[in-house]
Amino acid sequence: AQSVTQLGSHVSVSEGALVLLRCNYSSSVPPYLFWYVQYPNQGLQLLLKYTSAATLVKGINGFEAEFKKSETSFHLTKPSAHMSDAAEYFCAVTSKRGGSEKLVFGKGTKLTVNP
Amino acid sequence: KAGVTQTPRYLIKTRGQQVTLSCSPISGHRSVSWYQQTPGQGLQFLFEYFSETQRNKGNFPGRFSGRQFSNSRSEMNVSTLELGDSALYLCARSLGGGAAYEQYFGPGTRLTVT
Repeated sequence: AQSVTQLGSHVSVSEGALVLLRCNYSSSVPPYLFWYVQYPNQGLQLLLKYTSAATLVKGINGFEAEFKKSETSFHLTKPSAHMSDAAEYFCAVTSKRGGSEKLVFGKGTKLTVNP
Repeated sequence: KAGVTQTPRYLIKTRGQQVTLSCSPISGHRSVSWYQQTPGQGLQFLFEYFSETQRNKGNFPGRFSGRQFSNSRSEMNVSTLELGDSALYLCARSLGGGAAYEQYFGPGTRLTVT
């Protein structure tokens, strides 16, 4: 079975500071990993994905994530936070096998950006 | 932008009733997945349909069912509603070629059961 753990249900940063959202996964097969963002009263928007190509993945809005197999981690970072980054972020895992596309999500991390 | 239309956006039902939610992906996307989002349980996978066939199912009771039509539109039905079914129901589209293909989510249907 696959699972995702997001450390910290709430993270608060100052505008212009580094954003670091942590995600650790568990998977018995090579994983595909995703980060999604959800703004209030909206659906999920894909930020970036890892599918076994480059371990450092660049996404939209200046976000990037690094896949570290030895640490089973896929942390999301952004060098400089903007007020518009305030939202909830979800890490998700799925796998190549089986042909199905079921995503297993973490519990989410709510990011607050202070002026 | 998401290329997924979900109707209705908001719904209020009474316990014991049934409800049908609809999801329409953009043309060419044959995979549709449904997720339930609640504050307590987070995002949970309900089921996935691909070319009118259910390809995977989550751990939900039989009151939750779905189907997909030849134009890829999907419906989700919940019978005998319970208070705990109050949630945001999200639908996602994908090309359906495998797990590497990203899923794009619609805005969701907010279901409130009273």
